[in-house]
Amino acid sequence: AQTVTQSQPEMSVQEAETVTLSCTYDTSENNYYLFWYKQPPSRQMILVIRQEAYKQQNATENRFSVNFQKAAKSFSLKISDSQLGDTAMYFCAFMKNNDMRFGAGTRLTVKP
Amino acid sequence: DARVTQTPRHKVTEMGQEVTMRCQPILGHNTVFWYRQTMMQGLELLAYFRNRAPLDDSGMPKDRFSAEMPDATLATLKIQPSEPRDSAVYFCASGPGQGLRDTQYFGPGTRLTVL
Repeated sequence: AQTVTQSQPEMSVQEAETVTLSCTYDTSENNYYLFWYKQPPSRQMILVIRQEAYKQQNATENRFSVNFQKAAKSFSLKISDSQLGDTAMYFCAFMKNNDMRFGAGTRLTVKP
Repeated sequence: DARVTQTPRHKVTEMGQEVTMRCQPILGHNTVFWYRQTMMQGLELLAYFRNRAPLDDSGMPKDRFSAEMPDATLATLKIQPSEPRDSAVYFCASGPGQGLRDTQYFGPGTRLTVL
């Protein structure tokens, strides 16, 4: 079974600084998808970024980028120029054949 | 090793039938969450409980959905009557803390297909 590990339960960063959230996963599969979701105090889960395992190029979405290391089974999220609105829980997720697994989450606080 | 369990893992049913999904949170966790994942909507929070009391179920269609925690070891999500648009994967998660700002451990999900 695939497992997803987020080893940082909590993190904080100063506004405008950069922060990296870590995620590792365990799988024997070669083709799969990886996601980062954000859950702000407003509750709903928001898809931040997605990466296809067959793509070597790291995905980016504005201030959000990933460092995907397939051999190391690592999928970290970098948030640049952190904003107060980035304060939220962040979940890493792995998907293969519509079977999805989530990490336990990292609580990120952006401080003014 | 402790994990959230969900049953059934897969369910195929016909429109109009009642569907009950079950979740066993990690022992000692006091918050339980229900999510629905669809291609169109992504991952939506349906409801969450703390100490078995519903804190927020505003994300859940009230006319056909109901969520309960009969006891600390069981959470249920019921759909009656089910409709094809309810087809989705339903995730349960549990957490040891105070709710949405705390860690959540997800179950494997129940894949529901309503024909």
